[in-house]
Amino acid sequence: RKEVEQDPGPFNVPEGATVAFNCTYSNSASQSFFWYRQDCRKEPKLLMSVYSSGNEDGRFTAQLNRASQYISLLIRDSKLSDSATYLCVPHSGNTPLVFGKGTRLSVIA
Amino acid sequence: NAGVTQTPKFQVLKTGQSMTLQCAQDMNHNSMYWYRQDPGMGLRLIYYSASEGTTDKGEVPNGYNVSRLNKREFSLRLESAAPSQTSVYFCASRPTGGGNQPQHFGDGTRLSIL
Repeated sequence: RKEVEQDPGPFNVPEGATVAFNCTYSNSASQSFFWYRQDCRKEPKLLMSVYSSGNEDGRFTAQLNRASQYISLLIRDSKLSDSATYLCVPHSGNTPLVFGKGTRLSVIA
Repeated sequence: NAGVTQTPKFQVLKTGQSMTLQCAQDMNHNSMYWYRQDPGMGLRLIYYSASEGTTDKGEVPNGYNVSRLNKREFSLRLESAAPSQTSVYFCASRPTGGGNQPQHFGDGTRLSIL
């Protein structure tokens, strides 16, 4: 079983739409959870850490369900600049982060 | 406000040439990492260094060597470059000590092997 499973997309949504990405992870010992975004051929950049109680940062909301080993990211009022690949990254201990292929989002005018 | 700095940003090599990719961080992080990313693929870990003086193999170490020169610097060496090593290389660093500590990335080295 893969460490992280995400729908690769692409998700093509109009500007202003709300879009949600889901991610399941296999390691029940995972303690930290992150969403990164990566623009084409650029470095991954931290979008937000995900806390047990869920957290929000502007138009972005992240949720964690440890029992189901499931993480979600909700983007409200999508902007053209949100077009990118979104990477779900669960993590445990001091081991390196493992990155999957992510989910590609394309916001269309 | 440099963060993680990689040099060079672009490089073209001939098959069989050697090359060292440099990475330095100014955030006093203990752990440093080298990843490669091929088109349409996720990042794959080549080598990492959990702390100064230690290095460990990642998922795809063959054809590479690393040196953790000091706490700031972690270099990646290709002794005899092969076309299969054409890729974008990312260096990252991370503080250790548990908690919700993400990795911070440099902006990459784009390497082409002819």
